[in-house]
Amino acid sequence: AQSVAQPEDQVNVAEGNPLTVKCTYSVSGNPYLFWYVQYPNRGLQFLLKYITGDNLVKGSYGFEAEFNKSQTSFHLKKPSALVSDSALYFCAVRAPRGGYNKLIFGAGTRLAVHP
Amino acid sequence: GAVVSQHPSWVICKSGTSVKIECRSLDFQATTMFWYRQFPKQSLMLMATSNEGSKATYEQGVEKDKFLINHASLTLSTLTVTSAHPEDSSFYICIGTSRTDTQYFGPGTRLTVL
Repeated sequence: AQSVAQPEDQVNVAEGNPLTVKCTYSVSGNPYLFWYVQYPNRGLQFLLKYITGDNLVKGSYGFEAEFNKSQTSFHLKKPSALVSDSALYFCAVRAPRGGYNKLIFGAGTRLAVHP
Repeated sequence: GAVVSQHPSWVICKSGTSVKIECRSLDFQATTMFWYRQFPKQSLMLMATSNEGSKATYEQGVEKDKFLINHASLTLSTLTVTSAHPEDSSFYICIGTSRTDTQYFGPGTRLTVL
């Protein structure tokens, strides 16, 4: 069965410092991996995805994520955090097309960037 | 471009009434529609998967007679919460999948049951 783990409920970081939001996954076959961001009282916004190819994926707002197959991880990173990055971040996994392609979301990690 | 719209964006209703949430795909055909709900400060939990013209597949623990899903066309899916109770208050999100296997998120519907 597919599953996603986000081990941290909250990540605190000072503005200008690098940030990492962790995600590990479990899925049969090669995974499709996603990161989404949610601001208060809003829907989810797509940040980036990994399907195949280069392990380092670049996405919106300066975010990037690195796919590590051996560690089954897909951590979200940003070199320099902004206060406006403060939000709820969700990692999600999906089985490849041809299988049951529902998205399974992690529990979410709240990112707080302090001035 | 392709988007998914949801209506209403928010609704407040009395306990015991039914509420219908519409999810429309614009500029693409949603062959599959996923319905999720999100309780405050929690993650998105899949409720059901619907394919156009067939019965929805519900996740374990989701009552199919309470959450009626209809996917009558490739551009419209509806979720009806029947006899709503305060514990049904949640944020409901639909996700449409296109023929090219791209997924589009609806903006969500916040349901509050008094």
